[in-house]
Amino acid sequence: KQEVTQIPAALSVPEGENLVLNCSFTDSAIYNLQWFRQDPGKGLTSLLLIQSSQREQTSGRLNASLDKSSGRSTLYIAASQPGDSATYLCAVLTGANSKLTFGKGITLSVRP
Amino acid sequence: DTGVSQNPRHKITKRGQNVTFRCDPISEHNRLYWYRQTLGQGPEFLTYFQNEAQLEKSRLLSDRFSAERPKGSFSTLEIQRTEQGDSAMYLCASSPPSVRGKYGYTFGSGTRLTVV
Repeated sequence: KQEVTQIPAALSVPEGENLVLNCSFTDSAIYNLQWFRQDPGKGLTSLLLIQSSQREQTSGRLNASLDKSSGRSTLYIAASQPGDSATYLCAVLTGANSKLTFGKGITLSVRP
Repeated sequence: DTGVSQNPRHKITKRGQNVTFRCDPISEHNRLYWYRQTLGQGPEFLTYFQNEAQLEKSRLLSDRFSAERPKGSFSTLEIQRTEQGDSAMYLCASSPPSVRGKYGYTFGSGTRLTVV
């Protein structure tokens, strides 16, 4: 059974800091990995998708990397801003029915 | 098409009542998923449709839960005889037919259910 872990559960940083969010998964037989952002009480917004054959993807100040063999991914956020405050969820796509398995998320607070 | 649409956004119901949620996926997406998310947890898989066929149901989906996707378009999730433990955010997502892994899911804004 696939399990996804995100540690720590919460993180508080001052504005302007570069930061890394970590994600690990137990079964390396994945099709892709997605990072999502979730604001309080809202749905999920996809940030980046990395296919299993890829090593990283970039979008603006965000960079996500994937090491499938070791079961790890990182989301790098450059020059953090208060507007980046949200919960960041990592999810991996596996199985015949292409199901996503999620971690519990990391709640990020960026202090002005 | 602006994305995945879910209605209602919020639902408050008394214990024992039935509720139904609706999801309208992106029109060209043939895959549709329902997930449930409780406070402080990541979303958990409930069920999956490919076109109109329900191909997988989670063990989380008790007999009180039923989902349909008539004609492979919108989907409904019904909960009968609601319990306080059903209080959660119910999320719908869709994805296109594709080589596996090339495309991701697009999620709706969710329906927040509160059972009192």
